[in-house]
Amino acid sequence: NAGVTQTPKFQVLKTGQSMTLQCAQDMNHNSMYWYRQDPGMGLRLIYYSASEGTTDKGEVPNGYNVSRLNKREFSLRLESAAPSQTSVYFCATSSGANVLTFGAGSRLTVL
Amino acid sequence: AQSVTQPDIHITVSEGASLELRCNYSYGATPYLFWYVQSPGQGLQLLLKYFSGDTLVQGIKGFEAEFKRSQSSFNLRKPSVHWSDAAEYFCAVAFNQAGTALIFGKGTTLSVSS
Repeated sequence: NAGVTQTPKFQVLKTGQSMTLQCAQDMNHNSMYWYRQDPGMGLRLIYYSASEGTTDKGEVPNGYNVSRLNKREFSLRLESAAPSQTSVYFCATSSGANVLTFGAGSRLTVL
Repeated sequence: AQSVTQPDIHITVSEGASLELRCNYSYGATPYLFWYVQSPGQGLQLLLKYFSGDTLVQGIKGFEAEFKRSQSSFNLRKPSVHWSDAAEYFCAVAFNQAGTALIFGKGTTLSVSS
């Protein structure tokens, strides 16, 4: 039972490159989220999707786009990576009761 | 504005001693309240949650938390800390019910000394 799977686990990019972080869940949850974690900042919400077909901005959406491909998958895209986007990214899901289940994280470094 | 505050960035506790981690929120009504724990290099794991009812809630790993409406607080406690409790702890709130994301505090790092 995988739960929430994020790929890749590690990635190094050069400034200006693009990439997509993938998130897939097998929990049949409606809601999915992307957070970033930076030292001393806790977790900050980038985007979320309350249900298939909907997405909404969170606290720090600039420089990111998302796609809720289907109920299982929620991807996060960096179109032109910047050093300020160096972070650990977490995907999470919930069934609507606000209890989040997190993936293991994706560590991104932008040089 | 809605916010979550964890006043302590880093706490060191001796093994076997009691622990209390503080969390305060700013909101006009009672939010849904959570504590998560993150071990180094890992994702976040739910310790406990409060939605309504009894203001003292029990969680996993021997943790408990008490909701105090008058103080807008949801402090996490453990009577006897083990070395394996060393981790980062996050308080989180949801300010309304369905489909909304959690807002996290900045976290408290717990070190356990022998």
